[in-house]
Amino acid sequence: DVKVTQSSRYLVKRTGEKVFLECVQDMDHENMFWYRQDPGLGLRLIYFSYDVKMKEKGDIPEGYSVSREKKERFSLILESASTNQTSMYLCASSLVPSGGEETQYFGPGTRLLVL
Amino acid sequence: GENVEQHPSTLSVQEGDSAVIKCTYSDSASNYFPWYKQELGKGPQLIIDIRSNVGEKKDQRIAVTLNKTAKHFSLHITETQPEDSAVYFCAARYNKLIFGAGTRLAVHP
Repeated sequence: DVKVTQSSRYLVKRTGEKVFLECVQDMDHENMFWYRQDPGLGLRLIYFSYDVKMKEKGDIPEGYSVSREKKERFSLILESASTNQTSMYLCASSLVPSGGEETQYFGPGTRLLVL
Repeated sequence: GENVEQHPSTLSVQEGDSAVIKCTYSDSASNYFPWYKQELGKGPQLIIDIRSNVGEKKDQRIAVTLNKTAKHFSLHITETQPEDSAVYFCAARYNKLIFGAGTRLAVHP
């Protein structure tokens, strides 16, 4: 069974703090993703990575950065947290798509509150 | 840009009834359409998917249909049970997965 773990289930931070969200997958997947989930907006892609030390911007990268130093670990960084970054953050991983098919495996999510 | 619209946003049914969730996509090149189920406190999990060369796929009580001409695809759940209560996301993929906004399904005993 694929397992994607996220370092925290709940996090409370203050405006201006630097925030690190960690994600680890145990299935040797090449691809890793960070989404944020907001009511009525679904899952929006922040950043993704197809390989170690490689990163690509998603649809809403502003205010975020990422790091992938090892294949199994993908970190999301909020350089200076703001209240509009209060959200549920979901990490996912997948194998390289085959024939267009891609199953993403999600972690349980980190609910971040920025005060 | 690429977009996936999902309706309804909330759906309430009685146990044993059927539930239908509909999605439309904008990129005609999309060729893969998965559906994810997110239970309370968990991340989304794939429940069924369909490729563009197939019109319908069934797995026990759930089925997905695809109309490529109209760029519509739908999830059908028959004989709903309380454990079907969750948020359901459709998605479409060409270069990357684009998710719909989600449907909160409540099945009442």
